[in-house]
Amino acid sequence: SLVLTQPSTVSVAPGKKATITCGGDNIGSTTVQWYQHKPGQAPILLIYWDKDRPSGIPQRFSGSNSGSAATLTIWEVEAGDEADYYCQVWARGSDHPVFGGGTKLAVL
Amino acid sequence: QVQLLESGGGIVQPGQSLTVSCAASGFTFNRYAIHWVRQAPGKGLEWVAGISFDGNKMYSVDFAKGRFSIARDNSENTVHLQMNSLRVEDTAIYFCARDRSGSADYFDNWGQGTLVTVSS
Repeated sequence: SLVLTQPSTVSVAPGKKATITCGGDNIGSTTVQWYQHKPGQAPILLIYWDKDRPSGIPQRFSGSNSGSAATLTIWEVEAGDEADYYCQVWARGSDHPVFGGGTKLAVL
Repeated sequence: QVQLLESGGGIVQPGQSLTVSCAASGFTFNRYAIHWVRQAPGKGLEWVAGISFDGNKMYSVDFAKGRFSIARDNSENTVHLQMNSLRVEDTAIYFCARDRSGSADYFDNWGQGTLVTVSS
């Protein structure tokens, strides 16, 4: 089954750009979602269908997907962005969704 | 606004059963699929099971097949996850999440979760 690979940790200084990747076999042929999860809270949908943002999600969050990797970019990172980030797809030919292992964003 | 409230978590011994529930409000419940996603201590998110808007289609991950069952009551706006033959490795926070569609798309709203602990 499809395995989605994310870096375990990404560190970034406040005000800089953070890039989180999600690698998977031919992931560009499907659509990717991104979720933000802070401990003790409900996960939040950040990006759906590769690059679309739900209402209320700041434009600082953007997504792209091509080939064998999808990318979540967080522009002008803030301290409040410190959280775990997960990519998710519905694997082709599968009846269930798959999550990446998650990336902890550390704001220095 | 959309609200999902999980309940029913607790501490059980290995081999026992437990049912967790998800009560929904703030939207037309019978138009959306609902899923269960769990997070074991120190681990990432893991999808467990889902049920279509009308309850006619249910899906679950391999480890849940034969042990977990999902059901919904559209008259009560609730979804239940019955878990049998629980194992220590089932210890996790169980989240319910609304699917954007009636079957399988993405999860646009989540609850805060209920903790299930399986321990002897």
